[in-house]
Amino acid sequence: GAVVSQHPSRVICKSGTSVKIECRSLDFQATTMFWYRQFPKKSLMLMATSNEGSKATYEQGVEKDKFLINHASLTLSTLTVTSAHPEDSSFYICSATDSGSTDTQYFGPGTRLTVL
Amino acid sequence: GQQLNQSPQSMFIQEGEDVSMNCTSSSIFNTWLWYKQDPGEGPVLLIALYKAGELTSNGRLTAQFGITRKDSFLNISASIPSDVGIYFCAGQLTGTYKYIFGTGTRLKVLA
Repeated sequence: GAVVSQHPSRVICKSGTSVKIECRSLDFQATTMFWYRQFPKKSLMLMATSNEGSKATYEQGVEKDKFLINHASLTLSTLTVTSAHPEDSSFYICSATDSGSTDTQYFGPGTRLTVL
Repeated sequence: GQQLNQSPQSMFIQEGEDVSMNCTSSSIFNTWLWYKQDPGEGPVLLIALYKAGELTSNGRLTAQFGITRKDSFLNISASIPSDVGIYFCAGQLTGTYKYIFGTGTRLKVLA
């Protein structure tokens, strides 16, 4: 149980294009999902908290117009990196908490974004 | 962003040895989670701790939630080569759903 999937696992795009990353909770409902960014050999940095049916809450320094988050259902949250640039290249990981259980976070496998 | 102090940063150990790592903070947490991350993968939950003083085991892994709610440790007994990876602690801030992650401990096991 508590499986979280992410799609795509890897994406390479040209500078200036937008990329959408999906995060799905497969066997539970997630009122809250989180989006993290991880640089090589570094820890996970929380970007935003995604709440089903409402606007996402962004951490300080994260541009909400750059990283668009939509949490339209209890099992799906999407992160869109708009007008991507090489400095946006990173490992993006989502996590979800089981609405009916504790606050334990379960992570997706991550998405490697490379912007050329 | 905020991060927890996690130590050691990295360690090389011989197969069969026990390993200990810990996380400390000046903040109080409701929940402590311990994860293992392999290269190119998302973190996998190892142990979850929900009460101060709680001691929980998962196979060769043992973790404790500090009495002060500001720290936690993870022990791995009789390490094996597949224990190689990066271990992260994560503390849940009081009154929120958010977690703050430790800086990570990179473990390398020598056969």
